Amino acid sequence: GEQVEQRPPHLSVREGDSAVITCTYTDPNSYYFFWYKQEPGASLQLLMKVFSSTEINEGQGFTVLLNKKDKRLSLNLTAAHPGDSAAYFCAVTPFWGSSGNKLIFGIGTLLSVKP
Amino acid sequence: EAAVTQSPRSKVAVTGGKVTLSCHQTNNHDYMYWYRQDTGHGLRLIHYSYVADSTEKGDIPDGYKASRPSQENFSLILELASLSQTAVYFCASTGSSYEQYFGPGTRLTVL
Repeated sequence: GEQVEQRPPHLSVREGDSAVITCTYTDPNSYYFFWYKQEPGASLQLLMKVFSSTEINEGQGFTVLLNKKDKRLSLNLTAAHPGDSAAYFCAVTPFWGSSGNKLIFGIGTLLSVKP
Repeated sequence: EAAVTQSPRSKVAVTGGKVTLSCHQTNNHDYMYWYRQDTGHGLRLIHYSYVADSTEKGDIPDGYKASRPSQENFSLILELASLSQTAVYFCASTGSSYEQYFGPGTRLTVL
């Protein structure tokens, strides 16, 4: 079945630096891709959903790149600030119409942004 | 915005006791899920359901049961709680668009 590898597990950057988190997946038929943010002690908040091949989506202070050829999904926080400190999870829908609309999650990246 | 609530928010249980975690969604979503979160493991799917009165096993169902009495409600049941089931449990729901909306989580400690 689908496997999702997320790197790095821990990331520490200075305020104003960029932070890049990457996920690779194995199922070439994977269809939807997500990034979630989890602040300490809180639930998971959806950051962005992407589904087109080789897509760049920009949010507030971050960019998501999907490269289906390489089976790679990345989250780039530009000019990180302490409020970005959280755990970030990628998630992948294995294939279109998969049973149960399930998501496969990466292990998570704990990001620390120091002032 | 999607709304998923869980109760209780935290619970301490004794080994061998029965624990029921409840989830309620007002999104009119067909799909509901139970995950557990442990440090170093991300989120792992325990059970899910796509229609009332039916549940399916996820990736780690052993030691857990699930119940979906209505579209809005989904429960996770630990018949004989064990130390290894200490974790944070999240409920989620989704419709046809695949993005899952999560509840606030339940912190379960089994002593």
